[in-house]
Amino acid sequence: DAGVIQSPRHEVTEMGQEVTLRCKPISGHNSLFWYRQTMMRGLELLIYFNNNVPIDDSGMPEDRFSAKMPNASFSTLKIQPSEPRDSAVYFCASRTRGGSGELFFGEGSRLTVL
Amino acid sequence: AQTVTQSQPEMSVQEAETVTLSCTYDTSESDYYLFWYKQPPSRQMILVIRQEAYKQQNATENRFSVNFQKAAKSFSLKISDSQLGDAAMYFCAYRSARGSQGNLIFGKGTKLSVKP
Repeated sequence: DAGVIQSPRHEVTEMGQEVTLRCKPISGHNSLFWYRQTMMRGLELLIYFNNNVPIDDSGMPEDRFSAKMPNASFSTLKIQPSEPRDSAVYFCASRTRGGSGELFFGEGSRLTVL
Repeated sequence: AQTVTQSQPEMSVQEAETVTLSCTYDTSESDYYLFWYKQPPSRQMILVIRQEAYKQQNATENRFSVNFQKAAKSFSLKISDSQLGDAAMYFCAYRSARGSQGNLIFGKGTKLSVKP
C-alpha cells in the first residue's frame, strides 16, 4: 500500500512567490494534518481536517497561509506571498478513525524561500 | 493545554549498548495515548512505539521499550543493543483520548548518535 504522498520534495523560491504544497493521504484515512518543522520551533500543527472539513486551523501563522481539502484523497497548503521565514519542512500526515490515533507521515516538503 | 518536554537535546550511545531517552508531559486528563517517533536523516517520521495510558504494562517492540510512569507523567524510551541505524531524531508525542480525532502534540526531540 502506498503511504502518504507529498509533493514537491524540495522547493526553492523567491520571496513574494506563491508556493503550493500537495498531499495525498492514505486511502481510507479520514483525518489529514499539516505540520511545519523548524529547528527553532520543532513540529508545529498548522491545520487538520476530519472528513475533508477543517477542524482546527489555529496553528496557521497568518493570512498568507491557506489549506484546502477538496476531496478525501487530496489536500493543498498554499503560501502567498512567501517569505524567508516560511522556510521549513512541511509534513502531511493522515490517520484513520478510532484506535490510538497514530499518524502516518509523508516524507515532507522542504521549502526554501530566498 | 497539554505539553510535552524532552529535556535531552542530544544523546550518544555506543553500538550494542543501551540508551534511555526521557520524556515528560503535562496533562489534566486521565485517558490518553503516548508515542515515540523516529526521524532518520531521510526525514520521514516513523512510529517506534505507542502506549495507552489505561494500560499499566509497558509497551515493548523488539529492542524498543518504554517506562511509563503515569503518576509522574513520564514516558521514557529504552533502546537496547543499539545499532547504527538507530541514529536519528526521536520525538515523544501525546494525544488525548477525548474525542476521536485530536491531533498529536510533539516534544522538541532528542538527537541520538550511535558510535561504532
